[in-house]
Amino acid sequence: DVKVTQSSRYLVKRTGEKVFLECVQDMDHENMFWYRQDPGLGLRLIYFSYDVKMKEKGDIPEGYSVSREKKERFSLILESASTNQTSMYLCASSSVPLSPLHFGNGTRLTVT
Amino acid sequence: QQQVKQSPQSLIVQKGGISIINCAYENTAFDYFPWYQQFPGKGPALLIAIRPDVSEKKEGRFTISFNKSAKQFSLHIMDSQPGDSATYFCAASRTNFGNEKLTFGTGTRLTIIP
Repeated sequence: DVKVTQSSRYLVKRTGEKVFLECVQDMDHENMFWYRQDPGLGLRLIYFSYDVKMKEKGDIPEGYSVSREKKERFSLILESASTNQTSMYLCASSSVPLSPLHFGNGTRLTVT
Repeated sequence: QQQVKQSPQSLIVQKGGISIINCAYENTAFDYFPWYQQFPGKGPALLIAIRPDVSEKKEGRFTISFNKSAKQFSLHIMDSQPGDSATYFCAASRTNFGNEKLTFGTGTRLTIIP
């Protein structure tokens, strides 16, 4: 079974802090994704990556950046956290285009 | 602009009943329609998916019905069980695109009561 592990289940950060959310997958998947999940808004794509060192903006990239130095690891960075970035963040991976997304269990981030 | 509209937002069904979740899409180029199931504290997982060359796909108690002319698709859960209580997301995309083009609905929280 594919395992996507997100390093923190809960995080509480202060406004203006730099925040790192880490994600590791163990199935040698090429593609990795970061989504945020908010009630009534569903899942929205922040950034994705189809290869090491490669990154592309999703639908809501403002205020975020990403890093993919190794194939198995995809990090989401909030350069200066703001209260409107309080949300559930989900990392996902997939093997080929439109193959099933395998999600981690999420990181619930609260920015105060 | 929301390209996939999902309803209802929440749904309560008695054990043994039929749960029905509906989705409507706007982009006629969409040709791949998956449903994801998310249990509390877990990430979503693919439940079932359909392509428009068929009008219905069934896997166990879960059925997707697809109406191309109406641009609608729905998930039916027969003989609903408490273990089906979860949030369900419909989604849509084009098969010649990757998952980055997958558009999700807003989710339906399903509760099955004994």
